[in-house]
Amino acid sequence: DVKVTQSSRYLVKRTGEKVFLECVQDMDHENMFWYRQDPGLGLRLIYFSYDVKMKEKGDIPEGYSVSREKKERFSLILESASTNQTSMYLCASSQRAKNIQYFGAGTRLSVL
Amino acid sequence: KNEVEQSPQNLTAQEGEFITINCSYSVGISALHWLQQHPGGGIVSLFMLSSGKKKHGRLIATINIQEKHSSLHITASHPRDSAVYICAVRSYYGGSQGNLIFGKGTKLSVKP
Repeated sequence: DVKVTQSSRYLVKRTGEKVFLECVQDMDHENMFWYRQDPGLGLRLIYFSYDVKMKEKGDIPEGYSVSREKKERFSLILESASTNQTSMYLCASSQRAKNIQYFGAGTRLSVL
Repeated sequence: KNEVEQSPQNLTAQEGEFITINCSYSVGISALHWLQQHPGGGIVSLFMLSSGKKKHGRLIATINIQEKHSSLHITASHPRDSAVYICAVRSYYGGSQGNLIFGKGTKLSVKP
């Protein structure tokens, strides 16, 4: 079974802190994605990566950056957390030629 | 206007009822996905469709490409079917690999 693991299920941070959300997949997938999910808005793509060290902005990249130094790991970075970044964050991965995305369990981030 | 619209937003059913969730989209697509998200956050891919109909257990997904519409049916519903069901499409013109456009989800609650 494909496994996508997010490092934390729940996280509480202070405004202005630098926050790292980690995602690891074990199926040698080329594509990895970071989404946020908010009530009434659905899933929105923040960033994605189609290869090591490659990244592209999604629909809402402002306030976020990403890092993909190894194929299996995709990190989402909040440089200076703000209260409007309180949300559920979901990581996903997929094979390059396949549409199906496999999701992690999500990280519920609260910024106080 | 959202490119992917789901209806209804919320649905409450009695155990055993036949359930239909609808998804309409406004872009040309190469594939449509139905996803299930249980309380707690994890998302599972149920179906990927590009034409016709697929069945898995009590779940049936259909798509009409000409009408740009898909339905997810659940036969003999059960309380464990309670979840948010999300429709997502991959546009022809997405450009980037694997990107999906998501509906806002339908929250289903099945009462015993």
